[in-house]
Amino acid sequence: QITLKESGPTLLKPTQTLTLTCSLSGLSISTTGVGVGWIRQPPGKALEWLGIIYWDDDKRYSPSLKSRLTITKDSSKNQVVLTVTNLDPVDTATYYCVNGFGKNWGQGILVTVSS
Amino acid sequence: DVVLTQSPLSLPVTLGQPASISCTSSQRLVHSDGNTYLNWFQQRPGQSPRRLISKVSNRESGVPDRFSGSGSGTEFTLQISRVEAEDVGVYYCMQATHWPPLTFGGGTRVEIK
Repeated sequence: QITLKESGPTLLKPTQTLTLTCSLSGLSISTTGVGVGWIRQPPGKALEWLGIIYWDDDKRYSPSLKSRLTITKDSSKNQVVLTVTNLDPVDTATYYCVNGFGKNWGQGILVTVSS
Repeated sequence: DVVLTQSPLSLPVTLGQPASISCTSSQRLVHSDGNTYLNWFQQRPGQSPRRLISKVSNRESGVPDRFSGSGSGTEFTLQISRVEAEDVGVYYCMQATHWPPLTFGGGTRVEIK
């Protein structure tokens, strides 16, 4: 059974940096072909894809957010980390980590950006 | 970026009746490998999204067969043959043919009349 679980801060101030961790179970980020992505959803709004990292450290980002995003992996801990810099209130959203292109989803973590 | 337009925005349905959701793409979604990477997701109230269908018409394991997907090119449809109470939620289409970025439709809310 594959599970993904997001963790990190839930309240941040504008201009701060968000760091979220996705912990994987039943799925290894080191296995050939595996990719773990991030998707966010502002309250009451649609889904927005952020980026993905693959087992071989290949990464793809949303062009509109690329300058502010970094996705890394820690194979020893079987975790994937999302960093979002220079936060703004519009970054308030539930952040999900997903297996590949959405085959499995984490429970999500609501991150609020407010002064 | 590929823009996916869903209709309707809201779909009130009587229990046991069929429902149909449309997803129109700004570009043809046939990949150079011959596949069409158009997926459908269901998000029940208060839950994470769940993938129902991949590559236009392939149901995920455990998805009831009352859900079906069809379409080609730029026009795609998710159909529910007989709506049940547990089908209430928001449905999203997503394309993974022309990426990055992966893009989603704006969502269709299914509710019971």
